[in-house]
Amino acid sequence: KNQVEQSPQSLIILEGKNCTLQCNYTVSPFSNLRWYKQDTGRGPVSLTIMTFSENTKSNGRYTATLDADTKQSSLHITASQLSDSASYICVVSAKGGGNKLTFGTGTQLKVEL
Amino acid sequence: AAGVIQSPRHLIKEKRETATLKCYPIPRHDTVYWYQQGPGQDPQFLISFYEKMQSDKGSIPDRFSAQQFSDYHSELNMSSLELGDSALYFCASSSLAGVHTQYFGPGTRLTVL
Repeated sequence: KNQVEQSPQSLIILEGKNCTLQCNYTVSPFSNLRWYKQDTGRGPVSLTIMTFSENTKSNGRYTATLDADTKQSSLHITASQLSDSASYICVVSAKGGGNKLTFGTGTQLKVEL
Repeated sequence: AAGVIQSPRHLIKEKRETATLKCYPIPRHDTVYWYQQGPGQDPQFLISFYEKMQSDKGSIPDRFSAQQFSDYHSELNMSSLELGDSALYFCASSSLAGVHTQYFGPGTRLTVL
């Protein structure tokens, strides 16, 4: 069964600090992995999308890594800001069958002063 | 544990017909999101509801409407269906209380002929 597990479930950090969110998946055959930022009740915003051959991809203060061998991804946020407070969702796409997506349950990040 | 339920799982319609997709959130979840994923595309956010009121609106066509009912289930009504509406429609639910973790349903695959 295809699964995506994210950790931690929630995280509180101080403004200016860095943090790393984890995503482990068992989706096969793997097509790509996406990280989204989503505010509660709002639509998600795509941060990065990574294919099998990509190890690292950055988008401003967000850096995603992918280890296709261990089926793990991380999202590193540097110099956090209050506006980073949101849910971060990892979504993995499988090849074929209409590119079925498997969603993680997200990590809820809160950045405090 | 109970998950998000979507019905039907598969639906075949012809052009210009109407379709209604249903989403039953996890018990005690008060927020529902609808997404559309076309073949080979990223999921697109359509609309969200919190406590039976629309909380955010994304790329939902005017031909579509949605609502959340008193029991928190939601329905996506699609009229004058077009071939391009063929997609996988995901529903997700979350609770504003606590961690705001978003749980996704299995999706409804709509095929418009």
